[in-house]
Amino acid sequence: EADIYQTPRYLVIGTGKKITLECSQTMGHDKMYWYQQDPGMELHLIHYSYGVNSTEKGDLSSESTVSRIRTEHFPLTLESARPSHTSQYLCASRDGTESREKLFFGSGTQLSVL
Amino acid sequence: QKEVEQDPGPLSVPEGAIVSLNCTYSNSAFQYFMWYRQYSRKGPELLMYTYSSGNKEDGRFTAQVDKSSKYISLFIRDSQPSDSATYLCAMANPPGYNKLIFGAGTRLAVHP
Repeated sequence: EADIYQTPRYLVIGTGKKITLECSQTMGHDKMYWYQQDPGMELHLIHYSYGVNSTEKGDLSSESTVSRIRTEHFPLTLESARPSHTSQYLCASRDGTESREKLFFGSGTQLSVL
Repeated sequence: QKEVEQDPGPLSVPEGAIVSLNCTYSNSAFQYFMWYRQYSRKGPELLMYTYSSGNKEDGRFTAQVDKSSKYISLFIRDSQPSDSATYLCAMANPPGYNKLIFGAGTRLAVHP
């Protein structure tokens, strides 16, 4: 079964703070993704990576940045958190050599910026 | 207009009922159609996948795609309380299958 981990699960933080949301997977997947999900709304892709040193912005504009220095690790950083960043952030990964459609998701980080 | 429309519900049914969940879409280039299930405070997990048109069955679940009407459905037979979750449809078109377009999800509650 898939093993993809996100920490922290919940984060409440003040405006202006720098935060990093962690995402790790133990499956050796090349492709990793960050989605943003608000209640009752669609998942929106904010970043993705096809492998080490590869990062791309998704369809939804985001002030966050990502890095991919190791295959298993895909952290997301907000340099200066604002209340508008309050949302659920979901990390996902996929093995390009397997069935293309199966994304494995982490349990998400619920971020609240006061 | 959204590319994928999905009724948010909530949908409340008694245990044992047949449930029908639906999505409509506007992009005729979509070829891959998926249903994800998301339990509260969890990430989505893939439930069903269909390529192009037709039906696919897996246990109590049946996925249908009608490309002529741009309409997809998920049927759940003999629904159980453990089916209570939010169901998200998702679709993609080649070669951009990396970027799934998700519906907003339908919340389903199955009560004993």
